Amino acid sequence: SAVISQKPSRDICQRGTSLTIQCQVDSQVTMMFWYRQQPGQSLTLIATANQGSEATYESGFVIDKFPISRPNLTFSTLTVSNLSPEDSSIYLCSVRIVYEQYFGPGTRLTVT
Amino acid sequence: AQSVTQLDSQVPVFEEAPVELRCNYSSSVSVYLFWYVQYPNQGLQLLLKYLSGSTLVKGINGFEAEFNKSQTSFHLRKPSVHISDTAEYFCAGLSWGSFNKFYFGSGTKLNVKP
Repeated sequence: SAVISQKPSRDICQRGTSLTIQCQVDSQVTMMFWYRQQPGQSLTLIATANQGSEATYESGFVIDKFPISRPNLTFSTLTVSNLSPEDSSIYLCSVRIVYEQYFGPGTRLTVT
Repeated sequence: AQSVTQLDSQVPVFEEAPVELRCNYSSSVSVYLFWYVQYPNQGLQLLLKYLSGSTLVKGINGFEAEFNKSQTSFHLRKPSVHISDTAEYFCAGLSWGSFNKFYFGSGTKLNVKP
């Protein structure tokens, strides 16, 4: 199993600014993912961040808007840039170990 | 394309009544299936999973699910629900292939009433 922590747990940001979300895992994992959960919606995969390679972004998500770092096997950051109210969502970090996927508690972002 | 469909967006039920949350999957390759629960203002927690073997899988909190290949379904059941089961439930599938991605259903909000 894996225990995942995220910082911050929530934030309120102004339009045009950026927020960087940190994800820390209690064990070394290769596969790490970032998801977005818009209000009342299911999870949408933003990107896959494997250590040692560039992040792979899903359709509709671009690196300029969602830059990701993965410096080692236990840590990653997601930055949401040039914020707009449409970015108000919960952002979840996730890791996969064999067939199971574990999720962090999420970061609730509100853009004003 | 692989996908997971949850047929009910909301399910109201009275406490101690049985409940079934429906999930259908679509996949042309081997699939692994999961149910996750998300309590208000919390992350996702794995309830149970089907990888292979017995088609009836038991999970935490008294939940169970049955994998039905002929009907491409993986419905979640609990014989008697509690107020504390009020949450959102997500069905998910992992399809091994060139994409290797988790597919999430749209979620079902279970509202247990006293």
